[in-house]
Amino acid sequence: EVQLVESGGGLVQPGGSLRLSCAASGFTFSSNAMSWVRQAPGKGLEWVSGISGSGGSTKYADSVRGRFTMSRDNSKNTLYLQMNSLRGEDTAVYYCAKGAGHYVVYHMDVWGKGTTVTVSS
Amino acid sequence: QSALTQPASVSGSPGQSITISCTGTSSDIAYYNYVSWYQQHPGKAPKLMIYDVSSRPSGVSNRFSGSKSGYTASLTISGLQAEDEADYYCGSYTSNSTVIFGGGTKLTVL
Repeated sequence: EVQLVESGGGLVQPGGSLRLSCAASGFTFSSNAMSWVRQAPGKGLEWVSGISGSGGSTKYADSVRGRFTMSRDNSKNTLYLQMNSLRGEDTAVYYCAKGAGHYVVYHMDVWGKGTTVTVSS
Repeated sequence: QSALTQPASVSGSPGQSITISCTGTSSDIAYYNYVSWYQQHPGKAPKLMIYDVSSRPSGVSNRFSGSKSGYTASLTISGLQAEDEADYYCGSYTSNSTVIFGGGTKLTVL
């Protein structure tokens, strides 16, 4: 069974940093591009970032570019999202999602349950 | 890049059919056949219902179907059931090699 389990969320002050992790199992992790998607309280889905199966290519939403860095360790079947210079508008549930292709994410066929990030003083 | 445009809400009675529209631009829906639809129940993670405009993942009911014409994609749910009540989001691959979502549509089964 394909599983994605996020961790690392919590309460952080504005300007602070946090690193999210996503442990993957049940599929050949290095074969699939992956994404992070977030959902602010009471709001819709927002695509945050994507990474190729090899980790050599990353893409970011304009709202996080320059502040967030997505990476992966294929030897550990783990995805990461390093979040710096956090703002109140980054408060959201962050989902890890498996893409259907190797190089880019065209759609997301498996989602984790999410981890909550709250940015507040 | 602005979100894809979806109606805020739609409703229908059990057994009826409903359609949710999703309008984009020449940089996403109109150019690529990579439109997807996701169902989200309250407090739960999204679930893929349709991908590549009209393909259904294994295990998704054939009551769910997708289509596209020009700048607008559509999700149709036939034979509405109470368990279909949820939020629905469309998504599309874009010319920037990113993904963009719609604002979401709340489906109410009367």
